[in-house]
Amino acid sequence: SYVLTQPPSVSVAPGQTARVTCGGSNIGTTNVHWYHQKPGQAPVLVVYDDSARPSGIPERFSGSSSGNTATLSISGVEADDEADYYCQVWDGNSDHPVFGGGTKLTVL
Amino acid sequence: QVQLQESGSGLVKPSQTLSLTCAVSGDSINSGVYSWNWIRQTPGEGLEWIGYIFHSGTTLYNPSLKSRVTILLDRSKNHFSLNLSSVTAADTAVYYCARGGPYGNDVFDIWGQGTVVTVSS
Repeated sequence: SYVLTQPPSVSVAPGQTARVTCGGSNIGTTNVHWYHQKPGQAPVLVVYDDSARPSGIPERFSGSSSGNTATLSISGVEADDEADYYCQVWDGNSDHPVFGGGTKLTVL
Repeated sequence: QVQLQESGSGLVKPSQTLSLTCAVSGDSINSGVYSWNWIRQTPGEGLEWIGYIFHSGTTLYNPSLKSRVTILLDRSKNHFSLNLSSVTAADTAVYYCARGGPYGNDVFDIWGQGTVVTVSS
């Protein structure tokens, strides 16, 4: 099964840009989707197809993907952005979606 | 506004079958453009996709669970269900139902609130 690797935690000061990475073999050749999840709540889609935003998601959220790394960037970080962030792709070899292990974003 | 709501038994004995239902409101489950998914989350394993079903009844399951999973559609009640047989403590998790689409069948844009299932005697 395809493995997605995320750092366990990322910390950033308010107003700065947070970057959450997602590593996978040739991940740049597949579509990457990102979710955030607050404690006790369901995940929420924030970026799909590497860099597109669903309706209602602020422009502060952006994504990119190339080579073996995809990145979710959050500019002008706010306290409310503190959450767990998960990347997800479709594993074409075993024909099912897979998720990264998640990154806890802490706003200092 | 489309909403999903899970329901079912929160406590299941080992070796028995876990059964959950996801009620869909605000949209018809007969829509041909969406996949209807089950996903679970554990502290140790994170998020794990279980499987999906389309309005046609076509299903796709995670290979690691395929031998134990059945997902069914009830068009008259506008809901879909999950059965997971021969459960063990490793199946203890928060279970979510989620819609795939309109951004893609594997892009989960709407989720239920989740339901906790504990496997214990």
